[in-house]
Amino acid sequence: QSVLTQPPSASGTPGQRVTISCSGSSSNIGRNPVSWYQQLPGTAPKLLIYSNNQRPSGVPDRFSGSKSGTSASLAISGLQSEDEADYYCAAWDDSLNGRWVFGGGTKLTVL
Amino acid sequence: EVQLVESGGGLVQPGGSLRLSCAASGFTFSSYWMNWVRQGPGEGLEWVASIKRDGSEKHYVDSVKGRFTISRDNAKNSMYLQMDSLRAEDTAVYYCASHDQFDYWGQGTLVTVSS
Repeated sequence: QSVLTQPPSASGTPGQRVTISCSGSSSNIGRNPVSWYQQLPGTAPKLLIYSNNQRPSGVPDRFSGSKSGTSASLAISGLQSEDEADYYCAAWDDSLNGRWVFGGGTKLTVL
Repeated sequence: EVQLVESGGGLVQPGGSLRLSCAASGFTFSSYWMNWVRQGPGEGLEWVASIKRDGSEKHYVDSVKGRFTISRDNAKNSMYLQMDSLRAEDTAVYYCASHDQFDYWGQGTLVTVSS
């Protein structure tokens, strides 16, 4: 049971816009920035979004992040086949002397 | 170019020990928090431990407290994870991740705990 809650799966067709949600609490998302990671099959995770809505250089602007209260979302517009991957959200949690918490991951399928 | 290279994984019996290393290059190692994140077979990501820039502050996930020790050597641009009293549930790919929001990741090293 992950501290941050994500839907286990999401899907869309090429060109569509899809969103992935990440629900937390006041001790994590409610007071700390959220980051998102993309993990392509058989590879290491890659930072996609940091500080709620910032993209590292090289990440296409098709990817965007947002946060409201104790929830966050990752949106992918103009869906492409190469976007098929697992996506994870993460945030620092101020409880229990401090810890990082991840969502359980969302497997995105491009139909 | 930032590079993180993990090493030290392998097969170990329950109750045994293993020491993982992470060699960093391409950035000012001593300026950033460093982290270990693991991923069990077919599972999601789980944060394991983090260490502050100068090693003065460390955090661990509850399941490894008292068994794992994170450390770093800024002179060698390296981070370590000493894993003792290993259990079957510690079986995972262990990733080294750098910077404050896991900006960069290594390729991972597989740890298998089995008799």
